[in-house]
Amino acid sequence: AQSVAQPEDQVNVAEGNPLTVKCTYSVSGNPYLFWYVQYPNRGLQFLLKYITGDNLVKGSYGFEAEFNKSQTSFHLKKPSALVSDSALYFCAVSVNTGGFKTIFGAGTRLFVKA
Amino acid sequence: GAVVSQHPSRVICKSGTSVKIECRSLDFQATTMFWYRQFPKQSLMLMATSNEGSKATYEQGVEKDKFLINHASLTLSTLTVTSAHPEDSSFYICSADEKIGAEAFFGQGTRLTVV
Repeated sequence: AQSVAQPEDQVNVAEGNPLTVKCTYSVSGNPYLFWYVQYPNRGLQFLLKYITGDNLVKGSYGFEAEFNKSQTSFHLKKPSALVSDSALYFCAVSVNTGGFKTIFGAGTRLFVKA
Repeated sequence: GAVVSQHPSRVICKSGTSVKIECRSLDFQATTMFWYRQFPKQSLMLMATSNEGSKATYEQGVEKDKFLINHASLTLSTLTVTSAHPEDSSFYICSADEKIGAEAFFGQGTRLTVV
């Protein structure tokens, strides 16, 4: 079955430190992988995606993610966290099941302390 | 990037009444839109795929007579929660893709409270 796993419900990091939000996936075929961020009472905003090409993709707000095919992972990273990065982060995969749809991970809440 | 507008952002209704939520793609045509429901501290649950000009495809466990979806044009999909009950209170979010496999653009979400 197609699935996305985010093993951490919450990640805490001090401002200025690097952050990592983990994601692993299980899909058949080549994956289309995405990261989205959600602020309170808002819809989701696109951060970055991997379709093909360079395994390291850079996105909005200084975030980046590395596609690792052997580990089936797509971890989100940022070299230096900001308090304003505190939000809910979703990893997602786009799958074709007779029509494309997006499967989301459970979400990871990121807290950045000043 | 593309813009998806969802309206209203908040609605409070009485039990037994119906509520309509609109989702519009403002600068692109969307043959397919998606409706999600999000419970507090939980992920997005796909409710249905809205297809322009045809019937929506509902996920298992979602009552199609309860959650009516209409996708009458390439830029508008509506979700109507019929005979709402307090357990229908939730955050509803729509999304649309510009093209197959591309990133999704999300509406702002609708907080529904049924009293």
